[in-house]
Amino acid sequence: SQTIHQWPATLVQPVGSPLSLECTVEGTSNPNLYWYRQAAGRGLQLLFYSVGIGQISSEVPQNLSASRPQDRQFILSSKKLLLSDSGFYLCAWSVQRQPPLHFGNGTRLTVT
Amino acid sequence: EDQVTQSPEALRLQEGESSSLNCSYTVSGLRGLFWYRQDPGKGPEFLFTLYSAGEEKEKERLKATLTKKESFLHITAPKPEDSATYLCAVESGGSQGNLIFGKGTKLSVKP
Repeated sequence: SQTIHQWPATLVQPVGSPLSLECTVEGTSNPNLYWYRQAAGRGLQLLFYSVGIGQISSEVPQNLSASRPQDRQFILSSKKLLLSDSGFYLCAWSVQRQPPLHFGNGTRLTVT
Repeated sequence: EDQVTQSPEALRLQEGESSSLNCSYTVSGLRGLFWYRQDPGKGPEFLFTLYSAGEEKEKERLKATLTKKESFLHITAPKPEDSATYLCAVESGGSQGNLIFGKGTKLSVKP
């Protein structure tokens, strides 16, 4: 069966520091991969999605970037965090262009 | 612009008190509507997919239905363990598999 791992579960970072969140999927090949952010009182906001290695699409202009160095690995990064980057970050996968999406357990990021 | 609106924002029920959650949507060419359950501090857990008006799906005390403009998640005789936030999402024709989510309904079931 397929599983998705996200780490760390929680993270507290100062403003201006770098960020790296990692997500890996097991038990499937060539998945679609997604990064969403969930802020209090708001719905899930799609940040990035990837249909293959090195292929990244950005949905929202922002301080973040994403990379997919391997088929089942998706990384969310920032060079300098802003206070507004605080939130709950969720990684998800799906069969190629076929929902539903399956989510990891998220990373709670607090920028201080 | 594709849009998903869920109501109510919060719902408090007594154990055994049945009710419904609403998800209304505006999309260009609905390809699918999805219901998820999210527990505090966790990622959303997939519940159902609905593809066409008139379709229904059931799982334990939950039943999801779909019309051309909205979907309902009916909860029959809820238990405290049904307490969670329920999210609705849609896939539109031009989305390439990406989902647009509503803000969710937070359900609390008291014993």
